[in-house]
Amino acid sequence: SQQGEEDPQALSIQEGENATMNCSYKTSINNLQWYRQNSGRGLVHLILIRSNEREKHSGRLRVTLDTSKKSSSLLITASRAADTASYFCATMTSGSARQLTFGSGTQLTVLP
Amino acid sequence: DVKVTQSSRYLVKRTGEKVFLECVQDMDHENMFWYRQDPGLGLRLIYFSYDVKMKEKGDIPEGYSVSREKKERFSLILESASTNQTSMYLCASSSPPWTSGGNEQFFGPGTRLTVL
Repeated sequence: SQQGEEDPQALSIQEGENATMNCSYKTSINNLQWYRQNSGRGLVHLILIRSNEREKHSGRLRVTLDTSKKSSSLLITASRAADTASYFCATMTSGSARQLTFGSGTQLTVLP
Repeated sequence: DVKVTQSSRYLVKRTGEKVFLECVQDMDHENMFWYRQDPGLGLRLIYFSYDVKMKEKGDIPEGYSVSREKKERFSLILESASTNQTSMYLCASSSPPWTSGGNEQFFGPGTRLTVL
């Protein structure tokens, strides 16, 4: 079952602009993670935010978490063409110490 | 750096064949996972293992089995491949959640399997 659902499904922006992707989920979580996937490759972990955190930064990435709305957002600032990829949110529920449930992803295209 | 390798990048098999997909990780991770990825559906968990010889079903285990005889190796087996198993298969590993960085999964490059 899909725990995380990303929105939008696809996003196209110009280089230098900011990109915002949203994720909604259904059940209580232990943490929420964002991953990136370049075309035809495996996923790479970007950032993790725990259920008791509201905001986290890593370089040009900013993640927010609103547990009352069961939603998260990933902001990429000053985007670059190299940021073109699919981005997935993944949730680790409180009842599972190991499993992640992934959403269907947002395809981000950054135009030079 | 953690390295997760998968035996093949591309694989073409015929309906009814037995297919083995192998995954090896070099970071002594306890947990290993097999996912399939299809357009519009994201990643779906097939099976996972949290120890040698241990396995647990994920969301879509039907038509698949797994084997974990050694800690570093986790194999996905399609007993009798069918066309609806054409997909990208991704392997991942992680350390226990109580360890530093233990919640993060490390992925292999994927195997694109086509069943004709």
